[in-house]
Amino acid sequence: AQKITQTQPGMFVQEKEAVTLDCTYDTSDPSYGLFWYKQPSSGEMIFLIYQGSYDQQNATEGRYSLNFQKARKSANLVISASQLGDSAMYFCAMRDPLNTNAGKSTFGDGTTLTVKP
Amino acid sequence: EAGVTQFPSHSVIEKGQTVTLRCDPISGHDNLYWYRRVMGKEIKFLLHFVKESKQDESGMPNNRFLAERTGGTYSTLKVQPAELEDSGVYFCASSPRRNIPTYEQYFGPGTRLTVT
Repeated sequence: AQKITQTQPGMFVQEKEAVTLDCTYDTSDPSYGLFWYKQPSSGEMIFLIYQGSYDQQNATEGRYSLNFQKARKSANLVISASQLGDSAMYFCAMRDPLNTNAGKSTFGDGTTLTVKP
Repeated sequence: EAGVTQFPSHSVIEKGQTVTLRCDPISGHDNLYWYRRVMGKEIKFLLHFVKESKQDESGMPNNRFLAERTGGTYSTLKVQPAELEDSGVYFCASSPRRNIPTYEQYFGPGTRLTVT
């Protein structure tokens, strides 16, 4: 079974500073995808970034980067130059592997990020 | 291109009543998923359709929940009879038919269900 652990229920960061949101995962499957989603107070789930288990380089998308350490089974999200609009709940998720036809995602409990002005 | 839509956005019902949630996936997406987040806990998988077929319904909590996807387009999730512990946010997501985990799931805005 797959498991995602987000150990930080809440995080605070000063505007314009960088912040790291932790995510560790557990799976016995050799192939998997890791995702981060943002859920603002309005409720929708916004895709941020993806990392494949076989990708050699860490994924980056604008101000978002994923610090992928496969041996440690961690996939931390780094947000650089925080903005007030970054205040939201952030979820780390893992997709089922190849042999389940684009299967379900497993989510962590989420981290609430608050950006202070 | 329209995203995943869900209806209603919010539903308040009494214990014992029936509620039907609807999800319209992105056009052409064969995969459709239902998830829910209860009482601020983690988002949990409910079930997965590939077109009109149930690929995986291992997350359905009990037989009070019934999901359908007639014709492989929109899907409904019926809760009958609703219990207090069913309160939460129900998300629908869709993705293209690809047999690799790299494709993101596009989420709808969710339906907030409150059972009183």
